Amino acid sequence: EPEVTQTPSHQVTQMGQEVILRCVPISNHLYFYWYRQILGQKVEFLVSFYNNEISEKSEIFDDQFSVERPDGSNFTLKIRSTKLEDSAMYFCASTLQATPNQPQHFGDGTRLSIL
Amino acid sequence: AQSVTQLGSHVSVSEGALVLLRCNYSSSVPPYLFWYVQYPNQGLQLLLKYTSAATLVKGINGFEAEFKKSETSFHLTKPSAHMSDAAEYFCAVSAWMDSSYKLIFGSGTRLLVRP
Repeated sequence: EPEVTQTPSHQVTQMGQEVILRCVPISNHLYFYWYRQILGQKVEFLVSFYNNEISEKSEIFDDQFSVERPDGSNFTLKIRSTKLEDSAMYFCASTLQATPNQPQHFGDGTRLSIL
Repeated sequence: AQSVTQLGSHVSVSEGALVLLRCNYSSSVPPYLFWYVQYPNQGLQLLLKYTSAATLVKGINGFEAEFKKSETSFHLTKPSAHMSDAAEYFCAVSAWMDSSYKLIFGSGTRLLVRP
């Protein structure tokens, strides 16, 4: 069964550094998402992406965050200047259609630790 | 606004016992509901989804959930727990944004299975 893959599985970064989290969505999917889960808290929506642009973003997704689909297969999340509170598990998801009954398919996540 | 509430952050059952994980939703429109499971160090895997076709939904690994509009509930059950069911379970509702859907997750329930 096709999978969403995320790399790296664990990223440790010094505060203030830039970090790029990478995702390869399922190949025929058109809608892409990033969610995050701070330890002990809910999984929260960050951003959705379609047709090479952001569709929606949450209030968490401020100017420090950006997303890109650089080459038609990868989907990346960049945090420009990381803060301690960015430490979390980041999940990428994709779906074929933007309809409410379409489940989103998730990757295994990247655990981001900011020191 | 749509939301889901999961009662019980931890549920402990004996192997072979009934599993019942509770989820209540709040929605002003007919909801589309999902249960996801997260095994240790893995991503979110879809267990089942409710999309209004049938109130009793069967999923993978012997799990099922029943949509009860009168109780605004979508509880997850399994007749007989197996050790391999130990994981964290998330209920989620599909919420419309301006141009796409996002998932709103509950806070999760960790299922412990005792031998």
